Amino acid sequence: GAGVSQTPSNKVTEKGKYVELRCDPISGHTALYWYRQSLGQGPEFLIYFQGTGAADDSGLPNDRFFAVRPEGSVSTLKIQRTERGDSAVYLCASSHTGGVSYEQYFGPGTRLTVT
Amino acid sequence: DQQVKQNSPSLSVQEGRISILNCDYTNSMFDYFLWYKKYPAEGPTFLISISSIKDKNEDGRFTVFLNKSAKHLSLHIVPSQPGDSAVYFCAAGRIQGAQKLVFGQGTRLTINP
Repeated sequence: GAGVSQTPSNKVTEKGKYVELRCDPISGHTALYWYRQSLGQGPEFLIYFQGTGAADDSGLPNDRFFAVRPEGSVSTLKIQRTERGDSAVYLCASSHTGGVSYEQYFGPGTRLTVT
Repeated sequence: DQQVKQNSPSLSVQEGRISILNCDYTNSMFDYFLWYKKYPAEGPTFLISISSIKDKNEDGRFTVFLNKSAKHLSLHIVPSQPGDSAVYFCAAGRIQGAQKLVFGQGTRLTINP
């Protein structure tokens, strides 16, 4: 079946602009995660959804970042007043809740560049 | 506070030999550990995992070893193949709560023909 998809694959925006990044998880996966990966680093957790609700948003760096998952499937990560430090690859992952290996399936990511 | 560390940024191994990638962690509350492989412009791909109650898990050419007393895990790839060239991340998580993964910085593995 289809894996996790993310759009756009690349996004270039000017400092101060607003951006939306979209994630389509694997069908039937109730858990959805957003991570951010900076150059030379591993992915860092941003937010976790269980169904429609944000169960853990402790990784969001500040209130310019917000994410929604209104119908428990597609999720959108929203960044207001973008800053150059927001430039990174934003990864989305989904999983079965309580799966045997706790494996998360990742999408290809959206590379965000803030100029 | 880097809870999961991969101290070797890169590793070069000859084709057919064993590749050993290492990972250390500081949080004794982690319940499970995973290894991911990442090619450029792709998302991380799951390789193998291990529960904290085990000390070894094997899947084909890949074996993960866990030493809880040392808070250390390693991934062994035998034999190494050119297609194994990629960046490898170890990750750790807890069963309780969000099950969010904490990743190391990654090790770039290069398999030489």
